[in-house]
Order: sequence, then C-alpha cells, then structure tokens
Amino acid sequence: AQSVSQHNHHVILSEAASLELGCNYSYGGTVNLFWYVQYPGQHLQLLLKYFSGDPLVKGIKGFEAEFIKSKFSFNLRKPSVQWSDTAEYFCAILTGANNLFFGTGTRLTVIP
Amino acid sequence: GAGVSQSPSNKVTEKGKDVELRCDPISGHTALYWYRQSLGQGLEFLIYFQGNSAPDKSGLPSDRFSAERTGGSVSTLTIQRTQQEDSAVYLCASSPRQGLAGASTDTQYFGPGTRLTVL
Repeated sequence: AQSVSQHNHHVILSEAASLELGCNYSYGGTVNLFWYVQYPGQHLQLLLKYFSGDPLVKGIKGFEAEFIKSKFSFNLRKPSVQWSDTAEYFCAILTGANNLFFGTGTRLTVIP
Repeated sequence: GAGVSQSPSNKVTEKGKDVELRCDPISGHTALYWYRQSLGQGLEFLIYFQGNSAPDKSGLPSDRFSAERTGGSVSTLTIQRTQQEDSAVYLCASSPRQGLAGASTDTQYFGPGTRLTVL
C-alpha cells in the first residue's frame, strides 16, 4: 500500500542551524512529490514540488529538496533556518491514480 | 472518535449546474479548511474558517465559489454554474486551533474528499 513516512515528529533548532527533514515513501509507480508548510493558524502552503527533471528542487524561502529514486526519499533542506520557519512541514506524494498521500508532519521549532 | 466526513463522495454534474459539497468536521474543532486537488496537481487552498471570525476567502478561484459554516460546525462549499475546469477532488480539513502554540492545535485532519466531475 502507498504510504509516506516522516520520521522526525518534532525538530528543535537554533537560528542559523541547518535543517534536513526526512521523507520516505512507499509506492511502486511514478509519483509527484510535494512539501507543504503550515504556519501557526494558517492553511497549508506549497513549499516546492517535483514532477520530473532535475531531482534537486528549489522552493520558496530558501528551501530545497532532493528526490533520490533509489532510496524512495524526498528530504527537505535549508542551510540556515530562521525563527520565522517555525511551522509544521508535510511531505506528500501524488500517484498516477491521482491519489494524494500525506505524511504525518514534522513540527519545526526554531529558537531565536 | 469520528473523523472528518464529507458528502457526497462522488458527484457528477453537467456544465452550468450548481453543486453543494458538505463537510462535517470533528466535533469541537474550531478551524475548518477547504482545499481542492485537480488532476495531477497538489493541494490548492480555497477557504479557511476559524471560530466566529470572518473567513479567509483568499483562495477562492472565482465568484462562482462560496462557502459557509453554520453554527461553527458543518460547512457547505457551493460552486455555481460549474465549469469543466472545476473537476477535482475537494478536500475538507479541521483542526482544534485552541491556542496559538502547541503541537496539536494546528494539526489538520482531512476528510476523504468529494470527487467532482463536470461533464
């Protein structure tokens, strides 16, 4: 069955630290991959997406993610986090059957 | 307990007709969101209700779309004069939103969605 795993439930970092959030998925076919962010009190917003092409994808606010097909992974990275990055981050896959699956989310707390 | 429910699960309509999609959030959740997922795309935010505050309608794609939330619970998304490009899965989510901080208050719980097909 399809699934998305985010193993880090809560990550706490100091400002300027580097960030990497893990995302692994389980699906045998072609997928489109997404990272969404939810700031406190707001709706989900798209950070970045991968459909095809260069597996290193750059998104908004300095975020990037790398699709590693052999590892079924799509980890999110940012070289230097800011307090304003405090939010919950969701990884998602879209299968060929147009079904969207979300991970359980990772809460990021950035300490000033 | 019961999760977020949506009805109908599938809706097929003709172009130009109006449709109503219903969302029953988890009891006690003050925040309610509507999203849609078009074919091959990710989520697109539509509208957000929080308690008795005025809703955030910034994601509604046109004035044919409207939503209301009665009594702070059930929500209805209405699409008037449907067009073929409205075909999508419409997802509803709710969250507790009981405070400004805390790991659980903003977690969104999604319903199963309504698959809308406009012929």
